[in-house]
Amino acid sequence: GAVVSQHPSRVICKSGTSVKIECRSLDFQATTMFWYRQFPKQSLMLMATSNEGSKATYEQGVEKDKFLINHASLTLSTLTVTSAHPEDSSFYICSGGQGNTEAFFGQGTRLTVV
Amino acid sequence: DAKTTQPPSMDCAEGRAANLPCNHSTISGNEYVYWYRQIHSQGPQYIIHGLKNNETNEMASLIITEDRKSSTLILPHATLRDTAVYYCIVRVKLGNEKLTFGTGTRLTIIP
Repeated sequence: GAVVSQHPSRVICKSGTSVKIECRSLDFQATTMFWYRQFPKQSLMLMATSNEGSKATYEQGVEKDKFLINHASLTLSTLTVTSAHPEDSSFYICSGGQGNTEAFFGQGTRLTVV
Repeated sequence: DAKTTQPPSMDCAEGRAANLPCNHSTISGNEYVYWYRQIHSQGPQYIIHGLKNNETNEMASLIITEDRKSSTLILPHATLRDTAVYYCIVRVKLGNEKLTFGTGTRLTIIP
């Protein structure tokens, strides 16, 4: 099946700094990718839809200026958490697919802001 | 997309069949039933999906009731590696679409 690779798998950063998470489709071209966030013992919540060549669409309550999404190519979407704070510590997951194939998920990125 | 209801947790003995129920009584005629699972600290993994017929693949079987208001995911011979949170999702479209995850069922396989 299709492979979505997410990097890094784990990152610790200081409060106030920015962190970039990459999501790559390895064997298909993804015009659309999705970014989710998951807090401990909770389910995945959709944050935004990343569209290749155009602006991302954010879910209600998600600050677009804080969570910057760039989808400059058909194989790469990035999520940058700007001015990170401890409350941004979470598990971030991307997903993508192609046409009628099922959506596939990255391995996830565990962000800890200290 | 229709809402789903799943038991919060279940245990199953290793080697036995694990049967995970899902209620989706408000499902529409054009909505599919999907199952994903999430092993701890990993991204979700697609398992199986169906519209109205029962389905089987190398991972599991999906049994959908005739009225489509509920379904059961069956892992025929559960192993310790099947310990995960299992999500039942009902959605209209096939393919790469955003998913709405409920709380799922935490399945624990007991040695």
